[in-house]
Amino acid sequence: DIQMTQSPSSLSTSVGDRVTITCRASQDINNHLAWFQQKPGKAPKSLIYAASNLASGVPSKFSGSGSGTDFTLTISSLQPEDFATYYCQQYKTYPRVTFGGGTKVEIK
Amino acid sequence: EVQLVESGGRLVQPGGSLRLSCSGSGFTFSNYVMAWVRQAPGKGLECISSITTNGGSTYYADSVKGRFTISRDNSKNTLYLQMSSLRAEDTAVYYCVRDRDFDYWGQGTLVTVSS
Repeated sequence: DIQMTQSPSSLSTSVGDRVTITCRASQDINNHLAWFQQKPGKAPKSLIYAASNLASGVPSKFSGSGSGTDFTLTISSLQPEDFATYYCQQYKTYPRVTFGGGTKVEIK
Repeated sequence: EVQLVESGGRLVQPGGSLRLSCSGSGFTFSNYVMAWVRQAPGKGLECISSITTNGGSTYYADSVKGRFTISRDNSKNTLYLQMSSLRAEDTAVYYCVRDRDFDYWGQGTLVTVSS
């Protein structure tokens, strides 16, 4: 299986800050990478697919980049509603997809 | 509006069986691949099973292969997960998810395996 490693596993930051989360695949996945946001007690929500494409209705403050094995999710100006856990997912080997371990973004 | 509503989760004893259901609305259910993703308490996400539009092809993660069976009834817009030989490590919230893009998720249903 392709392993997905996210870093950091958690971070404390302030409203208005720019946040970058990284995701590394154990082998080349081209751009078959998605990002999801999950708030406590809620289902995950799709943010980005194909590494850099925003899902429907997702604000432009979210952006994704990368290809091959290294990817990033950036939130340009963190707002209170953005405090959540973020997961990357590779689907190069669909249906055998794998998720990263998650990055919890907390308020400093 | 796309909606996915799971049901069937409850407390079950180890070795027991359970069937989860997911009702889809707001889209043409028969046109979409569907999947089940689970999340153990305080843990990450695991895609455990998926099924093609006509049910002709299925996928199972190694962790559930031989114990779980995914199926669908397109006439009822419903996805199922039949779970048997349940173990404590199957305790999780089970989410129904639409499409290869995982673009819509249900609210989840909690399965607790414990004596």
